[in-house]
Amino acid sequence: QQPVQSPQAVILREGEDAVINCSSSKALYSVHWYRQKHGEAPVFLMILLKGGEQKGHDKISASFNEKKQQSSLYLTASQLSYSGTYFCGTERSYLDMRFGAGTRLTVKP
Amino acid sequence: EPEVTQTPSHQVTQMGQEVILRCVPISNHLYFYWYRQILGQKVEFLVSFYNNEISEKSEIFDDQFSVERPDGSNFTLKIRSTKLEDSAMYFCASSVTSGYNEQFFGPGTRLTVL
Repeated sequence: QQPVQSPQAVILREGEDAVINCSSSKALYSVHWYRQKHGEAPVFLMILLKGGEQKGHDKISASFNEKKQQSSLYLTASQLSYSGTYFCGTERSYLDMRFGAGTRLTVKP
Repeated sequence: EPEVTQTPSHQVTQMGQEVILRCVPISNHLYFYWYRQILGQKVEFLVSFYNNEISEKSEIFDDQFSVERPDGSNFTLKIRSTKLEDSAMYFCASSVTSGYNEQFFGPGTRLTVL
């Protein structure tokens, strides 16, 4: 029931780009993206609702392909502060969000 | 900036004991959630709560778990008879409107069952 994320881990140099994917076998109402730094709580990045929209702020953006039940998170020109574990959360029904296993992103100088 | 708070930050208990984890959601939020994260693993949904009743619960949220909003500010998670496998970080979250909205997470309570 939970979404599948890929890749499991990514190592980047500062300034490089990355894409993290999230897919579900079931129809989705929304996709959330969160970032969690070690020992901290998850922090909301963005939510995408049905409609295939694309969102972004700063150099982090995401898309939601409703037909494929997939979402992708794009990190461009990565910064050291982007390091952490990225979780997608998907809602198949009201108030029931399931998280993927996470993608560990490491940005090195 | 308003934030979700959780107490205690760390709880150590003996197997079979009852624990209550407490959360104070952001004051104008109406939707509340509990999640748990076993060390090094993903965040797992436990339960959502709205209008003083459970909206959704996962397969993890069995009869040993219960939630309550005893007053206008606190939101609690009770584990009646703790097991070793209940050891995890428990996060409370809240959102202002429906589930299709940003959830604000508290700092978590680390529960250690011995």
